[in-house]
Amino acid sequence: QKEVEQNSGPLSVPEGAIASLNCTYSDRGSQSFFWYRQYSGKSPELIMSIYSNGDKEDGRFTAQLNKASQYVSLLIRDSQPSDSATYLCAVKGGSGGYQKVTFGTGTKLQVIP
Amino acid sequence: SAVISQKPSRDICQRGTSLTIQCQVDSQVTMMFWYRQQPGQSLTLIATANQGSEATYESGFVIDKFPISRPNLTFSTLTVSNMSPEDSSIYLCSVGGQASYEQYFGPGTRLTVT
Repeated sequence: QKEVEQNSGPLSVPEGAIASLNCTYSDRGSQSFFWYRQYSGKSPELIMSIYSNGDKEDGRFTAQLNKASQYVSLLIRDSQPSDSATYLCAVKGGSGGYQKVTFGTGTKLQVIP
Repeated sequence: SAVISQKPSRDICQRGTSLTIQCQVDSQVTMMFWYRQQPGQSLTLIATANQGSEATYESGFVIDKFPISRPNLTFSTLTVSNMSPEDSSIYLCSVGGQASYEQYFGPGTRLTVT
């Protein structure tokens, strides 16, 4: 079982729709959760972090965490073509050590104009 | 977040040679991390570099192949030694943010080994 699992996609949504990206993790001791956006040929850019159960909103982005289900999601409202990128879920802490960050393989999002 | 620069941004190297990648941060940071991202894949941690101590390598990565230096709190280097085509990858430097929980990435070094 992979430590951090994401559907590779591509996930295609029309412009203006809500894009829903999902991630599951295996280590129950994980403490911090992140979403990175990576444009083709560029390095990952941190867009959201979440540490406790529930929702966290930042502009058009909402991160959701459910530690009981070991599930993290990212909602992008009013999706724009500029949101087209690969979104990486990352999990920190747990048995790998406090500072160890494990990345999923990413979900490719395509926003269709 | 810290501003991170890497040099070179890209390079094409011959098999058997070595390349040293530099990472410079605009503020002092305790921990610096080196990652590899192979084509179409996610990020894999190579090692963690703390100033004043030996780097800690992840399983599958060894110091002879990927020696790391961390001479001060704003700079680190990663050397890819005795390169083979399998080393073709993007190499990324990363540092912790102010909150220590978050990590930020440099622009990366795209390495092609022929």
